[in-house]
Amino acid sequence: QSALTQPPSASGSLGQSVTISCTGTNSDVGGYNFVSWYQQHPGKTPKVIIHEVNKRPSGVPDRFSGSKSGNTAALTVSGLQAEDEADYYCSSYAGKSFVFGTGTKVTVL
Amino acid sequence: QVLLQQSGPGLVKPSQTLSITCVISGDSVSSDSAGWSWIRQSSSRGLEWLGRRFYDSKWYNDYAVSVRSRITITSDTSRNQLSLHLKSVTPEDTAVYYCARTRDGFFDVWGQGTLVTVSS
Repeated sequence: QSALTQPPSASGSLGQSVTISCTGTNSDVGGYNFVSWYQQHPGKTPKVIIHEVNKRPSGVPDRFSGSKSGNTAALTVSGLQAEDEADYYCSSYAGKSFVFGTGTKVTVL
Repeated sequence: QVLLQQSGPGLVKPSQTLSITCVISGDSVSSDSAGWSWIRQSSSRGLEWLGRRFYDSKWYNDYAVSVRSRITITSDTSRNQLSLHLKSVTPEDTAVYYCARTRDGFFDVWGQGTLVTVSS
């Protein structure tokens, strides 16, 4: 199972938006609506911020949103805040297994 | 509140077996609405799902192809804990290992992580 493809880095200014893509295949992202996104600050444990493509767990700001089209999912962070600077990983169910993305480092300028 | 507390050795010699335990509080390892996964993270491989165990009238295990020949995930219902056993380790298995609750296709609760270094 190959890792999902994410851009290594993304950036945006305070208050702006940034979108991160996550590309897989029809055996994972395209085949199931079980795409999730995780935020990880340095030295910390990953935290789920989006699950089932576009659902936010309670406590996650509505600045975070998810979408999917075909084999590509996306995470959009609107109104960037300083605390959004972190690594972001997508994940997808792949039929009796799971696969993670390669990770994207988001920098807030 | 669900908490996952991991324990295990930080150093394992090449060719030996890596074993880590995850004690679950606030939920049951035999829950009928969740599974329990092991995930590792290294700078070279990023986040990598290794396998999961769940109960649905009987126990099931799913394993990643990359480690299928070397991994075993077990559970102890009396202690409400999950365990990872990875045999024949090499330096490439050096990583931070996490246990995580798995629900509806995502990982909603994570253990604190255990750094395991494979070195002689």
